[in-house]
Amino acid sequence: RKEVEQDPGPFNVPEGATVAFNCTYSNSASQSFFWYRQDCRKEPKLLMSVYSSGNEDGRFTAQLNRASQYISLLIRDSKLSDSATYLCVVNVRGAQKLVFGQGTRLTINP
Amino acid sequence: GAVVSQHPSWVICKSGTSVKIECRSLDFQATTMFWYRQFPKQSLMLMATSNEGSKATYEQGVEKDKFLINHASLTLSTLTVTSAHPEDSSFYICSARDETETNYGYTFGSGTRLTVV
Repeated sequence: RKEVEQDPGPFNVPEGATVAFNCTYSNSASQSFFWYRQDCRKEPKLLMSVYSSGNEDGRFTAQLNRASQYISLLIRDSKLSDSATYLCVVNVRGAQKLVFGQGTRLTINP
Repeated sequence: GAVVSQHPSWVICKSGTSVKIECRSLDFQATTMFWYRQFPKQSLMLMATSNEGSKATYEQGVEKDKFLINHASLTLSTLTVTSAHPEDSSFYICSARDETETNYGYTFGSGTRLTVV
């Protein structure tokens, strides 16, 4: 079983739609959680950290459920520029390295 | 914010030759840097953790004699792909963490696209 699992998609949604991604992690010692965005042939860039209380940044909302070991990302009022691959990333307590999910590919259509 | 510079952006080399990739933290010191590899339509896979002044820690299945890592200063780590073969063609990305940043601060270099012909 992969440490971090995501539905690879692709998700194709119309502009303005709301889209949600899910991610599960297997290591209960995971302590830090992030969503990264990666554009084609580019490096990943931090979109947002994910906190237990849930957090929002503009049109983006992230949720963490430690009991179910589940992370989500919600994008409201999607824009064409939101088209990218979204990577669920986890850091395990005591380890410095990040573990990446496979990524979910999103395409926003005009 | 923290900036990580990676060079070259792309390189094409002949099979059997070696290629060196540099990763620099421009405005912060990094005792630890990370090297990832990404094949098309796959996620980033950690290859090794580069430790300043000591040996790198390699992930299972990564050949340390093939992927040489040197972290001689607090701002520079290098990855050398030795005796490259076509199957080594991939996107190599480095990452460093600015421990002074409160948002956990992992920053990635812009990546190096290696093609071995």
